[in-house]
Amino acid sequence: GAVVSQHPSRVICKSGTSVKIECRSLDFQATTMFWYRQFPKKSLMLMATSNEGSKATYEQGVEKDKFLINHASLTLSTLTVTSAHPEDSSFYICSARDLGGVLTYNEQFFGPGTRLTVL
Amino acid sequence: RKEVEQDPGPFNVPEGATVAFNCTYSNSASQSFFWYRQDCRKEPKLLMSVYSSGNEDGRFTAQLNRASQYISLLIRDSKLSDSATYLCVVNTGFQKLVFGTGTRLLVSP
Repeated sequence: GAVVSQHPSRVICKSGTSVKIECRSLDFQATTMFWYRQFPKKSLMLMATSNEGSKATYEQGVEKDKFLINHASLTLSTLTVTSAHPEDSSFYICSARDLGGVLTYNEQFFGPGTRLTVL
Repeated sequence: RKEVEQDPGPFNVPEGATVAFNCTYSNSASQSFFWYRQDCRKEPKLLMSVYSSGNEDGRFTAQLNRASQYISLLIRDSKLSDSATYLCVVNTGFQKLVFGTGTRLLVSP
């Protein structure tokens, strides 16, 4: 149980295009999902907290107009990188909590990540 | 000062060795603490939560010292499969996780 999927796993795009990444909780409902970014040899950095049915909460320094987050259902959050540039190339990872999990309620389950390369 | 600091390593140890990782955190209001494992180009996976009383899971022992804001992970009888990056993670509130940069472990035959 508590599986989180991401799609696509890898994407290569040209500079200036927009890329959408999906994060799904497969066997539980997630009112809150989290989006992280990890540059090579760096730690995961929280970008934003995605709240079902309301606006996302962005961390300081993250441009909300560039990284659009939509959490339209209890099992799906999407991150759209708009007008991507080479400096946006990174490993994007989402996570979610299974609040219904008796043994795992305090655990965040991570998706497998999406590796974005912007040429 | 970083919120969560770790020695990046790498730690190169032979199979069967005991290895210890340390981590310090700056936010004294932090609520919960974890060690995650991350393999190359993969997502992090929870290894264990860390409690003030200390906790053990097989070959892994985690300790928390709230007064010193210090977390440790001890791995006994290292296996080749333990080779990975170990992330110290702190929940600073509202489920916001702050990750350390990780300590890389290489276990050799």
